[in-house]
Amino acid sequence: AQKVTQAQTEISVVEKEDVTLDCVYETRDTTYYLFWYKQPPSGELVFLIRRNSFDEQNEISGRYSWNFQKSTSSFNFTITASQVVDSAVYFCALSSNTGFQKLVFGTGTRLLVSP
Amino acid sequence: DTAVSQTPKYLVTQMGNDKSIKCEQNLGHDTMYWYKQDSKKFLKIMFSYNNKELIINETVPNRFSPKSPDKAHLNLHINSLELGDSAVYFCASSQVRGPYNEQFFGPGTRLTVL
Repeated sequence: AQKVTQAQTEISVVEKEDVTLDCVYETRDTTYYLFWYKQPPSGELVFLIRRNSFDEQNEISGRYSWNFQKSTSSFNFTITASQVVDSAVYFCALSSNTGFQKLVFGTGTRLLVSP
Repeated sequence: DTAVSQTPKYLVTQMGNDKSIKCEQNLGHDTMYWYKQDSKKFLKIMFSYNNKELIINETVPNRFSPKSPDKAHLNLHINSLELGDSAVYFCASSQVRGPYNEQFFGPGTRLTVL
């Protein structure tokens, strides 16, 4: 069975602080995909990144960076110099071909960035 | 030029009624999904269609019936609504054949059953 764990329920930071959101996953598939989605207070789900299981290269996009480590089954997300607009619930998710690519979501981490 | 659209955005109804939610995607994707987000924000797959064929039915009560008239549309009909059906329902689409399989979500439909 596939499982995604986001142990941090809520994180509060002050603007300009760096923050890391943790994600640990479980799967028996050798080929799988990891995702991060953002859900701002307005409610929509915004795709942030996809990472394939065979590509452990870390990625940076502006203030966002992702650290994928197969050895620890983790796919952590760091926001550098956080801003109030980063306040949202962030979901980590997992899919694989054996699951017909359905997304298995973690329970989400609510990030509150105060000015 | 919305990629994935859903109607209605809000739905308030009485227990026992039947209601439908519609979803359309203009991304040319081959697969569409319905997810349910409960009051604790937990997101769970309900159904998935690939090229109009049902490929995922995740132990959802048979009061829920999806229908895909074509690749671009996936509707959800719910019979005999119950209080526990209150949630936000998200439609999503993706191209599972190919290197870019991320799912794009509609804006959600907030269903409230009174």
